Amino acid sequence: DAMVIQNPRYQVTQFGKPVTLSCSQTLNHNVMYWYQQKSSQAPKLLFHYYDKDFNNEADTPDNFQSRRPNTSFCFLDIRSPGLGDAAMYLCATSGTPGYTEAFFGQGTRLTVV
Amino acid sequence: GENVEQHPSTLSVQEGDSAVIKCTYSDSASNYFPWYKQELGKGPQLIIDIRSNVGEKKDQRIAVTLNKTAKHFSLHITETQPEDSAVYFCAASGGSARQLTFGSGTQLTVLP
Repeated sequence: DAMVIQNPRYQVTQFGKPVTLSCSQTLNHNVMYWYQQKSSQAPKLLFHYYDKDFNNEADTPDNFQSRRPNTSFCFLDIRSPGLGDAAMYLCATSGTPGYTEAFFGQGTRLTVV
Repeated sequence: GENVEQHPSTLSVQEGDSAVIKCTYSDSASNYFPWYKQELGKGPQLIIDIRSNVGEKKDQRIAVTLNKTAKHFSLHITETQPEDSAVYFCAASGGSARQLTFGSGTQLTVLP
């Protein structure tokens, strides 16, 4: 089945140690998004790629970076995780930004120790 | 930019009753309004969406209504079942911010 797959489902990292989360899609969608979701809150958009064009949200900390080497894969890099970065990280895709259905992956739960 | 407000934050209903969740948006140019269901530990899943050229849409027990003049839209779930228990998010997009702006979520609990 076509889907959005995130790996790993659970990630534990040490304070300050770089970590990478991955997302892949079989939908061939042009747009890939990364959201951060903290407990009992709505997903917060960090950035998105429209094809190869990277679009950063104004309030996304510099600590968060992203790479999209091809249509199918997108990575979220956290350069120096702090305790406040512990959250669920959600990847989503859509055909066009904002006017078509966004498909979400199951998320990666990041714990910082 | 867009601002989406969602009410109530928690909602408990008896099994078989109806549930209604309401959202308002601020950007009159927004034209796409999806609803997502999120179960514990999982990613959001689209359950229904509506575009600005339509006033109402139904899919079995779920319906969404849109009032563009008042800038609000609502989710209606009829004949609720325990498996409907989850967090529901409304969202809006298509205006000045092409990406989805989410409401704050509603924790729906269906009591058996």
